[in-house]
Amino acid sequence: GAGVSQSPSNKVTEKGKDVELRCDPISGHTALYWYRQSLGQGLEFLIYFQGNSAPDKSGLPSDRFSAERTGGSVSTLTIQRTQQEDSAVYLCASSLVPTSGQETQYFGPGTRLLVL
Amino acid sequence: AQSVTQLDSHVSVSEGTPVLLRCNYSSSYSPSLFWYVQHPNKGLQLLLKYTSAATLVKGINGFEAEFKKSETSFHLTKPSAHMSDAAEYFCVVSGGSNYKLTFGKGTLLTVNP
Repeated sequence: GAGVSQSPSNKVTEKGKDVELRCDPISGHTALYWYRQSLGQGLEFLIYFQGNSAPDKSGLPSDRFSAERTGGSVSTLTIQRTQQEDSAVYLCASSLVPTSGQETQYFGPGTRLLVL
Repeated sequence: AQSVTQLDSHVSVSEGTPVLLRCNYSSSYSPSLFWYVQHPNKGLQLLLKYTSAATLVKGINGFEAEFKKSETSFHLTKPSAHMSDAAEYFCVVSGGSNYKLTFGKGTLLTVNP
């Protein structure tokens, strides 16, 4: 079956512009996660969705970052007024249920964001 | 609280020789442990996971890992490296009802012909 998909695969933007990154999880997966992978920080958790709700936004680095999920499916991560330190690979993952740390999270290929 | 330490940032082996990637963890809960692999410009792929069943876990592509509670370790091994194994490997921990994955810094595996 189809895995997690993300778009765009690459995004180059100018400092100060807004960007939207999209994630399409595996069909039927109720939980969705965003992570950021950067050279200096490794892989960091950003936000978690259960259905359309985001009970944990603790990893969002600033109020310039926001995310939403609609219809219990597609999610969009928005970065406003991008800064050069936002340059990273943004990874999305989904899992069948989130209630246990034993659940496997399946990752998409990522969106590589470069802020000039 | 939980953390993961991957003891080697880079491991280089010859094709056909054994692979050992080392991982130590810390967790306040009974941990679930995972190894993910990331090939260049690709997403993360699950190799194997430990979730309190058998301590020796077999994964895809001939990889296996052994959970050793006394040593708080979860080292990844493979008897014979293949060129296609060249990639970055991440040891990951989650615990209790904590869905957040905590990643190690990664180990880059190079396989020489």
